[in-house]
Amino acid sequence: QKEVEQNSGPLSVPEGAIASLNCTYSDRGSQSFFWYRQYSGKSPELIMSIYSNGDKEDGRFTAQLNKASQYVSLLIRDSQPSDSATYLCGGSGGSNYKLTFGKGTLLTVNP
Amino acid sequence: NAGVMQNPRHLVRRRGQEARLRCSPMKGHSHVYWYRQLPEEGLKFMVYLQKENIIDESGMPKERFSAEFPKEGPSILRIQQVVRGDSAAYFCASSPPGRARETQYFGPGTRLLVL
Repeated sequence: QKEVEQNSGPLSVPEGAIASLNCTYSDRGSQSFFWYRQYSGKSPELIMSIYSNGDKEDGRFTAQLNKASQYVSLLIRDSQPSDSATYLCGGSGGSNYKLTFGKGTLLTVNP
Repeated sequence: NAGVMQNPRHLVRRRGQEARLRCSPMKGHSHVYWYRQLPEEGLKFMVYLQKENIIDESGMPKERFSAEFPKEGPSILRIQQVVRGDSAAYFCASSPPGRARETQYFGPGTRLLVL
């Protein structure tokens, strides 16, 4: 069974700090990984996608993928209170592109 | 450029009734996915559809649940004879054809409450 595990948190960081969110996956066939942000009572919003080993940066966000270690992470630099949300890590592989998600990590950024 | 649309946003049903959830994908998107999110749980895949075809329904319960994506109109997730355990948020996601089809965009969700 394909599993995606996330550090469940909650994770609390001060404003301006770096928030580090981690995710491991069990299916070596997984090809693509996605980070979604979900505010309470809202729908998931795509933050980052990553397909290749290494780092991918977009503004304050950096996604890291290590397929050998089956590990994905999301770094948020200069964290803001508006970053406070649950972050979902999702992986897909195979021909149907369905996403398997972890349970999410609740991040709180304290002003 | 409208995003994924879902309706109703909130739905209340009594046990034994039917629930119909609708999803209109983003313009130009031909792939539709349904996910369920139970309280305090992660998102769970239910079914993947393209126009007039169910591609993968491995995450959908065998009883009472069905989905369709007709040639014309929205995708429908139908739950017959609802039970309290069906109370959840149901999200639809869509993705474009071609190489970008792995990237899914979620709708606002339908919150189903079964009394």
